Amino acid sequence: NAGVTQTPKFRILKIGQSMTLQCTQDMNHNYMYWYRQDPGMGLKLIYYSVGAGITDKGEVPNGYNVSRSTTEDFPLRLELAAPSQTSVYFCASSWDASAGAQHFGDGTRLSIL
Amino acid sequence: DQQVKQNSPSLSVQEGRISILNCDYTNSMFDYFLWYKKYPAEGPTFLISISSIKDKNEDGRFTVFLNKSAKHLSLHIVPSQPGDSAVYFCAARARGSQGNLIFGKGTKLSVKP
Repeated sequence: NAGVTQTPKFRILKIGQSMTLQCTQDMNHNYMYWYRQDPGMGLKLIYYSVGAGITDKGEVPNGYNVSRSTTEDFPLRLELAAPSQTSVYFCASSWDASAGAQHFGDGTRLSIL
Repeated sequence: DQQVKQNSPSLSVQEGRISILNCDYTNSMFDYFLWYKKYPAEGPTFLISISSIKDKNEDGRFTVFLNKSAKHLSLHIVPSQPGDSAVYFCAARARGSQGNLIFGKGTKLSVKP
């Protein structure tokens, strides 16, 4: 059971480039989340999804887009990379909003130069 | 403005002694609290949680205490082991928030043999 899988693990982008961070889960969870963690800070919610075809903004959505075409996948898109988006990105999933614990992937470390 | 605060960036304890990690919150709408543990280069892993209708929850060596009047919770680890050395994040969920978590900045625990 792989849980939540994120790819790539590391990436360096130039300012203005675009990329998609991949996230897939094999637990048949309805809820999926994207967080970012800046150095010395807690995780902040970027976007979340309560099921296929449904997404909504979190605390820090600017500069990002998401889609949820299947239950398993929840990719995060950066359209015009900026240095402020240098961070570690974590994807998480949970069965529902009331279940409590979210299962996290191991993160994508993204540097924008 | 931080809704979840972990005011101690680091804590060092001796193996076998008690570790106490603290967390304060400001939002009265929070109804569920969680502790996550994070090792370097890995995603956070769920440790223990507590509902706002309780004041204590215990799981093996880990106990979480909630003081609603003080808007304060703490995680006790007894006895502490070197493998407990990690960053511990306190997180909270607001009622009706679709499971979105607000994280503190984390406390780095070092357990010395």
